[in-house]
Amino acid sequence: EDKVVQSPLSLVVHEGDTVTLNCSYEVTNFRSLLWYKQEKKAPTFLFMLTSSGIEKKSGRLSSILDKKELFSILNITATQTGDSAIYLCAVGWHSGYALNFGKGTSLLVTP
Amino acid sequence: EAQVTQNPRYLITVTGKKLTVTCSQNMNHEYMSWYRQDPGLGLRQIYYSMNVEVTDKGDVPEGYKVSRKEKRNFPLILESPSPNQTSLYFCASGRQVNQPQHFGDGTRLSIL
Repeated sequence: EDKVVQSPLSLVVHEGDTVTLNCSYEVTNFRSLLWYKQEKKAPTFLFMLTSSGIEKKSGRLSSILDKKELFSILNITATQTGDSAIYLCAVGWHSGYALNFGKGTSLLVTP
Repeated sequence: EAQVTQNPRYLITVTGKKLTVTCSQNMNHEYMSWYRQDPGLGLRQIYYSMNVEVTDKGDVPEGYKVSRKEKRNFPLILESPSPNQTSLYFCASGRQVNQPQHFGDGTRLSIL
């Protein structure tokens, strides 16, 4: 069973729309949740959320962590074609040093 | 410039011929990791290392070996590659496991 589940798997929107991407995780020993954006090559870091930092914002992107309901959302407002990418969610646990990624959400923003 | 460098970027080889993918980082990071990325399966962790001479298995370690003799280098070794190891491989490094990781540009391996 997957420890980190992202939804939707794929999304197509028009430029200017607002999108919300979801990431849910198992409860056991949660330490931090990270969001990455992957275009053609390597994933690049967007946000990290922990128990002491449950909301982050950078420009049109923002993210929150709901520790009670065990999920995080990544919000992108006024989308642009340059936002087209795969968005990855990863969770780290107190019980070890591994990092678990979800399968990602593929976002396509059309002109 | 802070970076994680992987080599080669592309490799086509045959079953059973040992290969090594090198990974080097210039940020003095303690944590390094290898992932493979496959369609529909996402990024899966192969091995990780918390520091020099300290390595551990991730989710999909079978068929792979790693070593961490120096802080900056973390090579991935496929002793006897098989077609099911055809994939896109990423090396990453970070100050600690739950800190943001910097990824290399990826190595696309095709095992025939």
